[in-house]
Amino acid sequence: EAQVTQNPRYLITVTGKKLTVTCSQNMNHEYMSWYRQDPGLGLRQIYYSMNVEVTDKGDVPEGYKVSRKEKRNFPLILESPSPNQTSLYFCASSLSLGGGTGYTFGSGTRLTVV
Amino acid sequence: QKEVEQNSGPLSVPEGAIASLNCTYSDRGSQSFFWYRQYSGKSPELIMSIYSNGDKEDGRFTAQLNKASQYVSLLIRDSQPSDSATYLCALKDNYGQNFVFGPGTRLSVLP
Repeated sequence: EAQVTQNPRYLITVTGKKLTVTCSQNMNHEYMSWYRQDPGLGLRQIYYSMNVEVTDKGDVPEGYKVSRKEKRNFPLILESPSPNQTSLYFCASSLSLGGGTGYTFGSGTRLTVV
Repeated sequence: QKEVEQNSGPLSVPEGAIASLNCTYSDRGSQSFFWYRQYSGKSPELIMSIYSNGDKEDGRFTAQLNKASQYVSLLIRDSQPSDSATYLCALKDNYGQNFVFGPGTRLSVLP
């Protein structure tokens, strides 16, 4: 089944403890992206990747890191999480940015930082 | 500044009615437009995409695009309570570098 897999689905952590949220897609998509969604603020892009080893900042990159060493994987790293990073996170992928292909989203990761 | 605007709602319609969701955008060069449905606490799912001026129909859903007026709309015919969700409008920017999402419109279909 074609899908974007995020793990974990739920995570409660403490301030300052490094964490990684994994994202993997099995559709050979070039483009991958991370979003956070907060009430009243909609989807805000954190980072995106056009292809392997090509990443760029989105609208809210502070406090986050990403890497794209393989086409299928695009992990999101929080080196020192803070309570303001408590949010619902989505990974998404698209075949490419050209043409009319939309996103396939992962199921989401609900992160709470205390 | 690339922007996509939507009325946040909630938009309430009775079951069986037509729900009309609207979206305007500022980047005149935008080429591809998408509608996503998102149930509370779930991930967005793609409903429709549209690239050319006019209407595109898929089952109960019709997307309408007017590039001259810079708006795109989604009509849902015979609305069902299961259509109650937030609907996100999105576009690919002029340079094909990124997706831009609107804030979403919350739709409530009343039985």
